[in-house]
Amino acid sequence: AQSVAQPEDQVNVAEGNPLTVKCTYSVSGNPYLFWYVQYPNRGLQFLLKYITGDNLVKGSYGFEAEFNKSQTSFHLKKPSALVSDSALYFCAVRHGSSNTGKLIFGQGTTLQVKP
Amino acid sequence: DTGVSQNPRHKITKRGQNVTFRCDPISEHNRLYWYRQTLGQGPEFLTYFQNEAQLEKSRLLSDRFSAERPKGSFSTLEIQRTEQGDSAMYLCASSSGLAGGPKETQYFGPGTRLLVL
Repeated sequence: AQSVAQPEDQVNVAEGNPLTVKCTYSVSGNPYLFWYVQYPNRGLQFLLKYITGDNLVKGSYGFEAEFNKSQTSFHLKKPSALVSDSALYFCAVRHGSSNTGKLIFGQGTTLQVKP
Repeated sequence: DTGVSQNPRHKITKRGQNVTFRCDPISEHNRLYWYRQTLGQGPEFLTYFQNEAQLEKSRLLSDRFSAERPKGSFSTLEIQRTEQGDSAMYLCASSSGLAGGPKETQYFGPGTRLLVL
């Protein structure tokens, strides 16, 4: 069965510092991996995805994520955090051979960036 | 605005009542998904449509839930005889490209927050 784990409920970082939001996954075969962000009372906004190729994926708003197959991880990173990055972040996985497209989400990590 | 839209944004109802939500996908997107998100959890897949055909339903979708996409455009999600456990955010997403393929990215609407009293 496919699953996603986000081991941290909350991540706190000072503005200007680098941030990392962790994600590990379990899926048979090749995974397609996604990061979404959710602001209060809003839907999910797509940030980036990994399909194949370069393990470092760049996305919106200066975010990037690194795919590590041996560690089955897909951590979200940003070199310099902004207060406006404070939100709820979700990692999601889809089986690469899936023909349904449904996403399996982690439970989410709240990112708090303090000035 | 060309994004996914959902109506209503909020719904408060009494236990036992029926409710219906609407989702308008991004124009030309042939696939439409419904997810449910409860407090403190990630979204959980409920069902999806390819054009007007409902191709998969989660076991979370009890017989009190029904979804339609009559003309392959907008979709409705109806919950009959609502229960307090139905209180959640109901999210709709749409996509294009080959189902499950590398180019498929789901874009989400703002959600409908349901509270069952």
